[in-house]
Amino acid sequence: NAGVTQTPKFRVLKTGQSMTLLCAQDMNHEYMYWYRQDPGMGLRLIHYSVGEGTTAKGEVPDGYNVSRLKKQNFLLGLESAAPSQTSVYFCASSYIGGLLYEQYFGPGTRLTVT
Amino acid sequence: SQKIEQNSEALNIQEGKTATLTCNYTNYSPAYLQWYRQDPGRGPVFLLLIRENEKEKRKERLKVTFDTTLKQSLFHITASQPADSATYLCARPSGSARQLTFGSGTQLTVLP
Repeated sequence: NAGVTQTPKFRVLKTGQSMTLLCAQDMNHEYMYWYRQDPGMGLRLIHYSVGEGTTAKGEVPDGYNVSRLKKQNFLLGLESAAPSQTSVYFCASSYIGGLLYEQYFGPGTRLTVT
Repeated sequence: SQKIEQNSEALNIQEGKTATLTCNYTNYSPAYLQWYRQDPGRGPVFLLLIRENEKEKRKERLKVTFDTTLKQSLFHITASQPADSATYLCARPSGSARQLTFGSGTQLTVLP
């Protein structure tokens, strides 16, 4: 199993450009999450999904949109990138059952907006 | 708001000693706390979960405690090794879909 994968690993955008980050998981997990990680601020939840076709806002959703058309994929879109969106983005997934409620993280996407 | 704070940004200890990391939370006591390890350039990896009604949880050289009076969790690594060097994150649940609120992390360096 590959676990959680993210595409691309690195990206540089100019202000105003758009892009989509792809997250894929092969563990059949119901829950999926998008976080951003900035120095000194920890991981902050952008959007999340409890299942195919459903999404919800997290702590810092402004400037981002998401879609979950297939259970295994969770896409994060930036319609008009801003320098404040320079960050490392992590996708995570979680199984609805189990007792430990752990989240499985991808390797991250480092995004720079100039 | 349901904040969670890790007071130490960085902690250096000598190999073989016990590392102790602190996680404090505000407002109501969370049903559980989780601890994750993050290596540079990688995503966090789950280590342990401790529930509100559990005083202590152990896994190999790791030990986590949960003190609802002090509103604090302590994370211990005994007989620390240089390979334990990493950033350790604590997290509390923040929604019905198992959303998490993370602390900013403590960067642990174990010196040989």
